[in-house]
Amino acid sequence: QSALTQPASVSGSPGQSITISCTGTSSDVGSFNLVSWYQQHPGRAPKLIIYEVNKRPSGVSNRFSGSKSGNTASLTISGLQAEDEADYYCCSYAGSTTFLMFGGGTKLTVL
Amino acid sequence: QIQLVQSGPEVKKPGASVKVSCKTSGFTFINYGLSWVRQAPGQGLEWMGWISVFNGYTNYPQTVQGRITMTTDTSTNTAYMELRSLRFDDTAVYYCARRRSLTSGLEFDYWGQGTLVTVSS
Repeated sequence: QSALTQPASVSGSPGQSITISCTGTSSDVGSFNLVSWYQQHPGRAPKLIIYEVNKRPSGVSNRFSGSKSGNTASLTISGLQAEDEADYYCCSYAGSTTFLMFGGGTKLTVL
Repeated sequence: QIQLVQSGPEVKKPGASVKVSCKTSGFTFINYGLSWVRQAPGQGLEWMGWISVFNGYTNYPQTVQGRITMTTDTSTNTAYMELRSLRFDDTAVYYCARRRSLTSGLEFDYWGQGTLVTVSS
């Protein structure tokens, strides 16, 4: 089964908002509210920033928000800051056979 | 504080096996699940499977089924991932990660620092 589809790159200026999409199918994103998002800076381990579509772990800035419509989940980052420049990955439960799959990742550049 | 500390880098020949450890602290090990995720150089994340520390239940994707074994040692709060019949495309950084809840969700809230496994002849 193919990975979830994310744009390879997005960019924005400080203070702006950006949205990263994560497109799956009715067998994964569309069927379960088990979408999570991870932020990864170069050379570092991933960090959980959103889980169960729109929940934020303790300590994660409220500038990060998640949503889902049909087979597409989205991560929105508002008030962009330089420190947000990183790779972002979505992840979704995909049923009992495939179980879990990641998106291909999106590189966010803060201009 | 919660920590997951992984073993050091490995260099293996094709066909060999590698076993990576993930020593945890700061939480009740048996109440959680551990997952392994790898990242090939310059590539994205790939889920390798997970294990319930409580009952040893494992779930592996078909891409590595038959070559991978995940285990835990509750006496040392350590998780292990063994990958056999190594191929060149197994070269990657391997991460262990704690599943946030055993009873709901499938997200990983704490991660190890990563272990580079290089497969080279």
